[in-house]
Amino acid sequence: AQSVTQPDIHITVSEGASLELRCNYSYGATPYLFWYVQSPGQGLQLLLKYFSGDTLVQGIKGFEAEFKRSQSSFNLRKPSVHWSDAAEYFCAVGAGDYKLSFGAGTTVTVRA
Amino acid sequence: DAGVIQSPRHEVTEMGQEVTLRCKPISGHNSLFWYRQTMMRGLELLIYFNNNVPIDDSGMPEDRFSAKMPNASFSTLKIQPSEPRDSAVYFCASSPPESETQYFGPGTRLLVL
Repeated sequence: AQSVTQPDIHITVSEGASLELRCNYSYGATPYLFWYVQSPGQGLQLLLKYFSGDTLVQGIKGFEAEFKRSQSSFNLRKPSVHWSDAAEYFCAVGAGDYKLSFGAGTTVTVRA
Repeated sequence: DAGVIQSPRHEVTEMGQEVTLRCKPISGHNSLFWYRQTMMRGLELLIYFNNNVPIDDSGMPEDRFSAKMPNASFSTLKIQPSEPRDSAVYFCASSPPESETQYFGPGTRLLVL
């Protein structure tokens, strides 16, 4: 079965600084990969997804992620964070059976 | 376009009471998922429907939990009797045909006293 690890539980970043959230997955074949964001008291919103093709994926809100098969990673990046990016971020992996496995999440705090 | 709709958004009940959570998936989607989110266990898949049929209910905690999908536009998750350890946020998500992408509702925050 597939699984996801998000090594960082909490990250604090200054407004305007760059952000990178790590995600490592375990799956034998090419996975379906997702990043979701959850603002306090809200549901999960899809940021971006990777199924195949170009390994650098652009998403909403200025986020991008890069699929690296050799490292089994799908890290999320943003060049310049805004205070509104403070939220919890979840990486998820699918194996083609329409079910997703989610990581434990990374909470991002943005300081002024 | 309307997203996934869940009701109620908040529910406070007493131990032993029956709780019913409701979900309306996005129109045209044929897969529906119920998740539970807690601090201790994170996001857990409870049950997955495809074309109104339960495909995988291995995540349902115990017999106190039941889920139905009587038609393509409505699903319920019922807890009877409820217990304090059922306190959590319950999410419903739906997917279009032949897609791995899930779209989440806003969640129902359940507190069992």
